[in-house]
Amino acid sequence: EAGVAQSPRYKIIEKRQSVAFWCNPISGHATLYWYQQILGQGPKLLIQFQNNGVVDDSQLPKDRFSAERLKGVDSTLKIQPAKLEDSAVYLCASSPGVTGGYEQYFGPGTRLTVT
Amino acid sequence: QQPVQSPQAVILREGEDAVINCSSSKALYSVHWYRQKHGEAPVFLMILLKGGEQKGHEKISASFNEKKQQSSLYLTASQLSYSGTYFCGTERWGSGTYKYIFGTGTRLKVLA
Repeated sequence: EAGVAQSPRYKIIEKRQSVAFWCNPISGHATLYWYQQILGQGPKLLIQFQNNGVVDDSQLPKDRFSAERLKGVDSTLKIQPAKLEDSAVYLCASSPGVTGGYEQYFGPGTRLTVT
Repeated sequence: QQPVQSPQAVILREGEDAVINCSSSKALYSVHWYRQKHGEAPVFLMILLKGGEQKGHEKISASFNEKKQQSSLYLTASQLSYSGTYFCGTERWGSGTYKYIFGTGTRLKVLA
């Protein structure tokens, strides 16, 4: 079974530029998560989708971050414009269930550096 | 609101045991445990659900005290491969969905 795929793996941009990340979850997984992980900290949930609907985006900085999940499968996360404090690893995870109590499978992440 | 883990860091010799704790101020539906090695993504270890059900790896053991909203991960006869950062993830029902949040993390180093 293929795992969660993410691209690109690394990205370096200047502040005020825009960037987009892509995630392809495990086939059949209904729930998809985007996390931001700053060095030395735990992953922070940015947005959670169930199928193609948003169920939690309470910690997404909506003035600069946006995300969508196309046809309930692939997802993109965009930052526009980027700030220095956005430097982090962006993790995508998927889960088979739509209720609680299911494990999450993580992709390799995208390491973003904003200069 | 973020679950607090203790200790923050621990160093062990191979074969020694360790306990990592996770404490939440909110009523929880489940607690998840993940291990993350440097430069890699978190890997699922175990889920403990309200009511006592557990799902996870056979070699990992953990407990969930629903009254105290605390969970503990027990690492016995540690191996070098156990090194990494351990995170608990908590689920609670709120605003019509299950809210998920990771804990503060515990760095574990196993020495030969």
